[in-house]
Amino acid sequence: DAKTTQPPSMDCAEGRAANLPCNHSTISGNEYVYWYRQIHSQGPQYIIHGLKNNETNEMASLIITEDRKSSTLILPHATLRDTAVYYCIVIVEGAQKLVFGQGTRLTINP
Amino acid sequence: DTEVTQTPKHLVMGMTNKKSLKCEQHMGHRAMYWYKQKAKKPPELMFVYSYEKLSINESVPSRFSPECPNSSLLNLHLHALQPEDSALYLCASSRETSANGELFFGEGSRLTVL
Repeated sequence: DAKTTQPPSMDCAEGRAANLPCNHSTISGNEYVYWYRQIHSQGPQYIIHGLKNNETNEMASLIITEDRKSSTLILPHATLRDTAVYYCIVIVEGAQKLVFGQGTRLTINP
Repeated sequence: DTEVTQTPKHLVMGMTNKKSLKCEQHMGHRAMYWYKQKAKKPPELMFVYSYEKLSINESVPSRFSPECPNSSLLNLHLHALQPEDSALYLCASSRETSANGELFFGEGSRLTVL
């Protein structure tokens, strides 16, 4: 699976959009981009995933660049409850493993 | 019911004890997973079960013994653990046997080995 690179930490003001970048420059055509987050003392939680097109759900939006070498997770109106570690994971179609990288520790400030 | 339930939430054991962690899901999911997470580190995959059969063992020491008695239950038997095995143990399940589907995680069992 392609390796991902994320900033170790980010801060965002409450009510603002939080934009979390992920670099996956070695991604292959059959690899998906997944985002999970882990709030302190809880298990990881699925957020969103995509292959080529931008995706949006009730939690977030995922913007994937045209060359697919990077992506951005957008939390449109961050709240204090969005403080968590966010993991960007690239998974080949059919893979049995979900392997976590170091992630980005996002802190939402009041 | 979209929950993965793990028990116990906390466990303290000595190095000579035998204990078990339990994980349960009633979503009809076909794959179940055990992860280990040390403080301030990402979760590390330990085992994957597909259709109740062990499909992946990430070279985990034999003092950790997984068991999948039926499609809803996943156990992790612990024996002769070391203090460095103290960690949060996370269970997850997925509808499909590939990781391309959403994994649902439990809240974990926090293990302390004395």
